[in-house]
Amino acid sequence: EAGVTQSPTHLIKTRGQQATLRCSPISGHTSVYWYQQALGLGLQFLLWYDEGEERNRGNFPPRFSGRQFPNYSSELNVNALELEDSALYLCASSLRVAKNIQYFGAGTRLSVL
Amino acid sequence: AQKVTQAQTEISVVEKEDVTLDCVYETRDTTYYLFWYKQPPSGELVFLIRRNSFDEQNEISGRYSWNFQKSTSSFNFTITASQVVDSAVYFCALSEASRGSTLGRLYFGRGTQLTVWP
Repeated sequence: EAGVTQSPTHLIKTRGQQATLRCSPISGHTSVYWYQQALGLGLQFLLWYDEGEERNRGNFPPRFSGRQFPNYSSELNVNALELEDSALYLCASSLRVAKNIQYFGAGTRLSVL
Repeated sequence: AQKVTQAQTEISVVEKEDVTLDCVYETRDTTYYLFWYKQPPSGELVFLIRRNSFDEQNEISGRYSWNFQKSTSSFNFTITASQVVDSAVYFCALSEASRGSTLGRLYFGRGTQLTVWP
């Protein structure tokens, strides 16, 4: 059974550009979560999607947004990129109930130059 | 406020030594879940264990064991007879079950880098 898959593996952008990161959950999982792992800041919760709706959001500016598609895959969009957005972005999925275990993908390494 | 503290930033041991990774948490919720994840150099977070707040039984899985103590708000992780392949960053995490504004999110500690030398 395939795990959580994320693409691309690496992404290089310049300041002010937009980045789009993609995530495919484990088959049967309806919830998708996004986390940012930046140097010195640890793992921080970004967004939670379930059944196509945004269910919860971390303390990030509105230029971080996303969506979940009918097949439960998800996109994370980061607009007006800043240097401090450079980080590993991890996607996780779980069964619908939030207390279920979150399984993570290998992440997308975003570098903003 | 929710908080997870992993006081040990880095630990180095020699193969076959036992090692304990500490985790202390804070929450006002009565229903919560505690997790340990392993992050090898590849970057993917690998799930190791979940514990709910009503189950204080210790758990053993092979060389891994976990000690959950509500009285001290701790959820420590011990690796027995460590191996080089255990080298990774280990994260402790907390999720709350009954507070709407925190639903769905995991609160992570800063992680402990474990290096096992041959």
